[in-house]
Amino acid sequence: GAVVSQHPSRVICKSGTSVKIECRSLDFQATTMFWYRQFPKQSLMLMATSNEGSKATYEQGVEKDKFLINHASLTLSTLTVTSAHPEDSSFYICSAADSGTSGVYEGEQYFGPGTRLTVT
Amino acid sequence: AQSVAQPEDQVNVAEGNPLTVKCTYSVSGNPYLFWYVQYPNRGLQFLLKYITGDNLVKGSYGFEAEFNKSQTSFHLKKPSALVSDSALYFCAVRGEKLIWGAGTKLIIKP
Repeated sequence: GAVVSQHPSRVICKSGTSVKIECRSLDFQATTMFWYRQFPKQSLMLMATSNEGSKATYEQGVEKDKFLINHASLTLSTLTVTSAHPEDSSFYICSAADSGTSGVYEGEQYFGPGTRLTVT
Repeated sequence: AQSVAQPEDQVNVAEGNPLTVKCTYSVSGNPYLFWYVQYPNRGLQFLLKYITGDNLVKGSYGFEAEFNKSQTSFHLKKPSALVSDSALYFCAVRGEKLIWGAGTKLIIKP
């Protein structure tokens, strides 16, 4: 199946600094990628939907100036957590939409392994 | 409004027994339904989906799910559980966009 990589897998940064997380689709082109945040008690929260070549669509309550998303190519999307604070510590996951042979996105996504961000 | 409910935070099953992980949904129109699994220290993996057709959908690793329109459910099942099935399972439904359930931790005991 399709593979999505995410880098780094873990990052520790100091409060006030910025961190960039990369998400790559390795063997397919992803016009749409998604960024999620997973909380300790399991739930998966969609942060934003990223479309190649256009601005990301952020979910309600997600600060677009804090979580900068760039989807500059069909295989790469990046999430930059700006001026990180301890409350931003979390598990961030990206996924890429699979349009399959029909070219129509039904909802199936391929996920990266996630990035554990710790802000000290 | 769209919603997905996984009523059980955790399900415990003995190895070799059948397992069921429950999911109910609310969406206008025809639902697209999905199950994903997250193994420890690994990314989420697609298990199976229902778009249309046969109500019983077969997926990866021997899992299957039954779409029940009248009960608005899409429960995940496996006839004989393995210890290696222990993981976090997510149900999702797509209406206007993909909505995720809270997840169910499945523990299979030897």
